[in-house]
Amino acid sequence: NAGVTQTPKFRVLKTGQSMTLLCAQDMNHEYMYWYRQDPGMGLRLIHYSVGEGTTAKGEVPDGYNVSRLKKQNFLLGLESAAPSQTSVYFCASSYTRFQGEAFFGQGTRLTVV
Amino acid sequence: KNEVEQSPQNLTAQEGEFITINCSYSVGISALHWLQQHPGGGIVSLFMLSSGKKKHGRLIATINIQEKHSSLHITASHPRDSAVYICAVGRGSNYQLIWGAGTKLIIKP
Repeated sequence: NAGVTQTPKFRVLKTGQSMTLLCAQDMNHEYMYWYRQDPGMGLRLIHYSVGEGTTAKGEVPDGYNVSRLKKQNFLLGLESAAPSQTSVYFCASSYTRFQGEAFFGQGTRLTVV
Repeated sequence: KNEVEQSPQNLTAQEGEFITINCSYSVGISALHWLQQHPGGGIVSLFMLSSGKKKHGRLIATINIQEKHSSLHITASHPRDSAVYICAVGRGSNYQLIWGAGTKLIIKP
């Protein structure tokens, strides 16, 4: 099993460009999450989904959109990238609503210049 | 003040030492989690606690609900234990997690 796979692993964007990060899980999990991790700070939840076709805002949703058209995929979109969105992004999925038991992807390092 | 505080922020120890990492929180919680983030970035769940103590191999996690404090202990530490250890607390009906900033542990051979 691949677990949780994120693509791409690295990306450099220019300010104003858009991009989509893909998260795929093969564990049939209902719950999926997108986090960002910045130096010296804990992970912050951007958006999450409790099942196919559902999405909800997390702690820091502004500037991001998400979609969960298929149960196994959770997409994170940046509409117009800003330097403040330079971060490491983690996707995770869980069988239960307990995010702390989630399985995490390897992360995507995004730099916006 | 952060709702979840970890100490120390950084810890360097020699192989074989007993390690303690602390987590204090200021909010009511339903459970507390310890996770490990390896240098490559991967994050792995270690424990979920709502009371008492849990043990897995050389790792022991304890929680004191009254004092709003948890500790993660590593016995007979090894260089492969070098990682960032993260505490997170779950609360609310949607069980949103509040994450600590992590403790960076380096074990020297």
